[in-house]
Amino acid sequence: QKEVEQDPGPLSVPEGAIVSLNCTYSNSAFQYFMWYRQYSRKGPELLMYTYSSGNKEDGRFTAQVDKSSKYISLFIRDSQPSDSATYLCAMTVSQGAQKLVFGQGTRLTINP
Amino acid sequence: EPEVTQTPSHQVTQMGQEVILRCVPISNHLYFYWYRQILGQKVEFLVSFYNNEISEKSEIFDDQFSVERPDGSNFTLKIRSTKLEDSAMYFCASMSVASKFFGPGTRLTVL
Repeated sequence: QKEVEQDPGPLSVPEGAIVSLNCTYSNSAFQYFMWYRQYSRKGPELLMYTYSSGNKEDGRFTAQVDKSSKYISLFIRDSQPSDSATYLCAMTVSQGAQKLVFGQGTRLTINP
Repeated sequence: EPEVTQTPSHQVTQMGQEVILRCVPISNHLYFYWYRQILGQKVEFLVSFYNNEISEKSEIFDDQFSVERPDGSNFTLKIRSTKLEDSAMYFCASMSVASKFFGPGTRLTVL
């Protein structure tokens, strides 16, 4: 079983739709969870950072963590064409110098 | 807004040649990293660097790779003898406490 699994998509939705992106993981030692957005041929850009189980909201973005199910989600409300990108989940065991383990990334297209 | 910068944006080299990829992390950050992403694949961890030494490295980071922080601002990745399979995007990242910020990447093409 892969450490972090993420459906690569592609996922295509109309503008204004609610988007749900998900990752599952197998390593119960993961404690910190991140979502990155990556535009084509660019570096990953940090969107959300969470630690505890539950929801964290930032504008149109909500990150959800369920440690008991080893499942994390990112919801995008009122999606815009500018949200079209690849979304990467990433996680790590602890803060500090610990490496991030990334999912495959989900390629998202928002159609005007 | 402070950002991580990387040079060059694209490097083409012949197999067996040495390359040095350069990064300028965010100035007050303490942790530095290199990741790579082969086209169509996951972003993979290579190495982390803290307090002027390697703190963790992956299986990919073999003896052909080395990192250095030659002065107070630059952070470099050297590949001594490049192979075709080293062709990838190489991302530098830096972190202060919790959030890791990535640079735009260097596309390395080995011919």
